[in-house]
Amino acid sequence: QQQVKQSPQSLIVQKGGISIINCAYENTAFDYFPWYQQFPGKGPALLIAIRPDVSEKKEGRFTISFNKSAKQFSLHIMDSQPGDSATYFCAASGWSGGGADGLTFGKGTHLIIQP
Amino acid sequence: DSGVTQTPKHLITATGQRVTLRCSPRSGDLSVYWYQQSLDQGLQFLIQYYNGEERAKGNILERFSAQQFPDLHSELNLSSLELGDSALYFCASSELAGAGEQYFGPGTRLTVT
Repeated sequence: QQQVKQSPQSLIVQKGGISIINCAYENTAFDYFPWYQQFPGKGPALLIAIRPDVSEKKEGRFTISFNKSAKQFSLHIMDSQPGDSATYFCAASGWSGGGADGLTFGKGTHLIIQP
Repeated sequence: DSGVTQTPKHLITATGQRVTLRCSPRSGDLSVYWYQQSLDQGLQFLIQYYNGEERAKGNILERFSAQQFPDLHSELNLSSLELGDSALYFCASSELAGAGEQYFGPGTRLTVT
């Protein structure tokens, strides 16, 4: 059972455009939702994260939008640059009663920013 | 650089063998997590240790085990290796035990031949 569904699988955006990646979760016990960026041969790097008590969080060109009732959250990359070309993962974790603090990841989105 | 270190960077071994992967968390972090990344399964949580004690288990096989030592470094032991165990293994660390920011190391690429 895939608990975090991510779309699209791949995305091509023109330089300067807005990149949008969406995720949906099933487990209502999740209460922490980070986004990670991964370049080939590197470990995932934490980009931005949100908790369910806010609907939006912005850090520089990166914004997370969160819809608790729909159990969905998304990453927006404004003014996308070629250096943003990478694989992006959404994730979720929370106190499920079993002490499961490990992150549950989406399958990833391969983002290409065309110059 | 996240501050999390992992050794070795690459590891090639044969089926049936046993290997140990090592992780040093960021200074001050008490929690260590292990993840496996493969093309078919994606990124999967294996196990978490907090201040030397096992805290949570994910999709970890019985052939795999881990421990966290008093100096907070952690080791992941993989035994009776199979071809399907070939993957990237990441360690992550966080300051606290609960759901929060996790910082990933550069990973160990394991190839089982």
